[in-house]
Amino acid sequence: NAGVTQTPKFQVLKTGQSMTLQCAQDMNHEYMSWYRQDPGMGLRLIHYSVGAGITDQGEVPNGYNVSRSTTEDFPLRLLSAAPSQTSVYFCASRMWTESSYEQYFGPGTRLTVT
Amino acid sequence: GENVEQHPSTLSVQEGDSAVIKCTYSDSASNYFPWYKQELGKGPQLIIDIRSNVGEKKDQRIAVTLNKTAKHFSLHITETQPEDSAVYFCAASTKAGTALIFGKGTTLSVSS
Repeated sequence: NAGVTQTPKFQVLKTGQSMTLQCAQDMNHEYMSWYRQDPGMGLRLIHYSVGAGITDQGEVPNGYNVSRSTTEDFPLRLLSAAPSQTSVYFCASRMWTESSYEQYFGPGTRLTVT
Repeated sequence: GENVEQHPSTLSVQEGDSAVIKCTYSDSASNYFPWYKQELGKGPQLIIDIRSNVGEKKDQRIAVTLNKTAKHFSLHITETQPEDSAVYFCAASTKAGTALIFGKGTTLSVSS
């Protein structure tokens, strides 16, 4: 299993540009999520999904869109990038059962918005 | 809202010493408490976790303890090694189980 994969690893955007961060998992996990990590702030939840066609907002959703058309993929879209979105973005997945909470993270995408 | 406080923010120990990182959580409905280790340039990796019906769990040199009454949980690393140097995050599940709330992290440095 490749686990959770993310592309690209690095990205530089200009203010106002749009882009999509890709995330895929091959573990057949129902739950997928996006976090951003900023220095001294820990990881903060942006959006999550508990299955195809189902998404919901996390703690810091403004400026980001998501969709979940398949179990495997959960892309994160920045519609109009702002310098405040400079961060490291992590995708994570887990089974969606009461007995299994183990969450697996991808390697991250480092985004810089100038 | 739900909150997880983590202390200390930095911790320096000598190789072979023990290291303890402490977290407190605010949501009494939280029932899952994982600990993640993050090495430079990598994603967080789960190292140990504990459910609310257990008070302590061990895995070789690492252990986690949970005090539900006080809403405290701690990570204990014994016989530290230089490869234990990393950022460690604690987290607590939300009531609905839809998210993990993370602490702000502890940078552990183990010098030989």
